[in-house]
Amino acid sequence: KAGVTQTPRYLIKTRGQQVTLSCSPISGHRSVSWYQQTPGQGLQFLFEYFSETQRNKGNFPGRFSGRQFSNSRSEMNVSTLELGDSALYLCASSLSAALKTGELFFGEGSRLTVL
Amino acid sequence: AQSVTQPDIHITVSEGASLELRCNYSYGATPYLFWYVQSPGQGLQLLLKYFSGDTLVQGIKGFEAEFKRSQSSFNLRKPSVHWSDAAEYFCAVVPSGKAAGNKLTFGGGTRVLVKP
Repeated sequence: KAGVTQTPRYLIKTRGQQVTLSCSPISGHRSVSWYQQTPGQGLQFLFEYFSETQRNKGNFPGRFSGRQFSNSRSEMNVSTLELGDSALYLCASSLSAALKTGELFFGEGSRLTVL
Repeated sequence: AQSVTQPDIHITVSEGASLELRCNYSYGATPYLFWYVQSPGQGLQLLLKYFSGDTLVQGIKGFEAEFKRSQSSFNLRKPSVHWSDAAEYFCAVVPSGKAAGNKLTFGGGTRVLVKP
């Protein structure tokens, strides 16, 4: 069974540009969550989607957005990139919408560098 | 404010020695508790979890954790460390109840170095 797949694995952008990251969850998983990991702020929750609906949102500016498709694949977009957006973006999928009934499986992440 | 604290940023341990990583949380009610491990260049892998019941939880790779309500702690232990245990370890919580969904709050992490 394939794990969580994130593309691209590495990318470099310049300030002001936008970026789209993609996440393919484990087959059958309907929940997809996104996390940002930086040395200074650690792991922070961005948002969670379940059955194409955003269920939870973290404390990030509106430049960060996401969506989920009918096949459960998810994308997140960051517009008007800032240097501080440089981070490892992790996607996690789960069979259920509650951690008591479903484990979170993480992808290897997309490492974004903003110059 | 709700928070998760891992007091130790780095720990160095000799191979074969025991390991204990500390985690403290500050929540109104006992949350669901998790430990994750992240190897270099990898995503996170769940080691173990606590929802309720027996306060000593067994996980994968020989790890265990003990929940202590009186101390608001969920410390991770391993009796004998292997070189492959060198990684970063994260404690995480989710408020108990349906509304929390899959929104994890993570501690700052503890990086474990294993000496030969």
